[in-house]
Amino acid sequence: DAMVIQNPRYQVTQFGKPVTLSCSQTLNHNVMYWYQQKSSQAPKLLFHYYDKDFNNEADTPDNFQSRRPNTSFCFLDIRSPGLGDAAMYLCATSSDRGGALHFGNGTRLTVT
Amino acid sequence: GESVGLHLPTLSVQEGDNSIINCAYSNSASDYFIWYKQESGKGPQFIIDIRSNMDKRQGQRVTVLLNKTVKHLSLQIAATQPGDSAVYFCAAEEEGGSEKLVFGKGTKLTVNP
Repeated sequence: DAMVIQNPRYQVTQFGKPVTLSCSQTLNHNVMYWYQQKSSQAPKLLFHYYDKDFNNEADTPDNFQSRRPNTSFCFLDIRSPGLGDAAMYLCATSSDRGGALHFGNGTRLTVT
Repeated sequence: GESVGLHLPTLSVQEGDNSIINCAYSNSASDYFIWYKQESGKGPQFIIDIRSNMDKRQGQRVTVLLNKTVKHLSLQIAATQPGDSAVYFCAAEEEGGSEKLVFGKGTKLTVNP
């Protein structure tokens, strides 16, 4: 089945230690998104790629970076995680801007 | 920018009853709306969408109603089942035509057997 796959499902990192979360998709969608979701809150968009064009949200901290080496893969890099970065990180895709998003099951990040 | 809000953070219903989850949005120019279901430990799952040129759309056991006059969106679930227990989010296209979706805060639906 075509899908959005996130690895790992659970990630524990230490305060200040860089961490990378990965996302892959078999939908061949042009757009890939990274959302941050904290407990009992709505998903918050961090950035998205439209093909190779990177679009950062104005309030996304500089601590968060992303890479999209090809259509299928997208990575979220957190350079120096703080305790406040503990959250569920969701990757999503859409065939084009303005369409329905297809989400992966997320990576739950714990910062110790 | 766009803001999207849900009227009730929690909703509890009996199995077999109909459920109605409500949502309000702020941007009268929004023209695309989606309802998502998120089960514990999973990503949001698409349920149904609607564009502003419609006021009602039906799926399997679900109906979305859009009232553009009062900027209100609702999700109706018929014959609610225990498997419907989840957090439901509405999302609206962001102001300014950027085509980014803004999510509301979510309603946690609990279905009692």
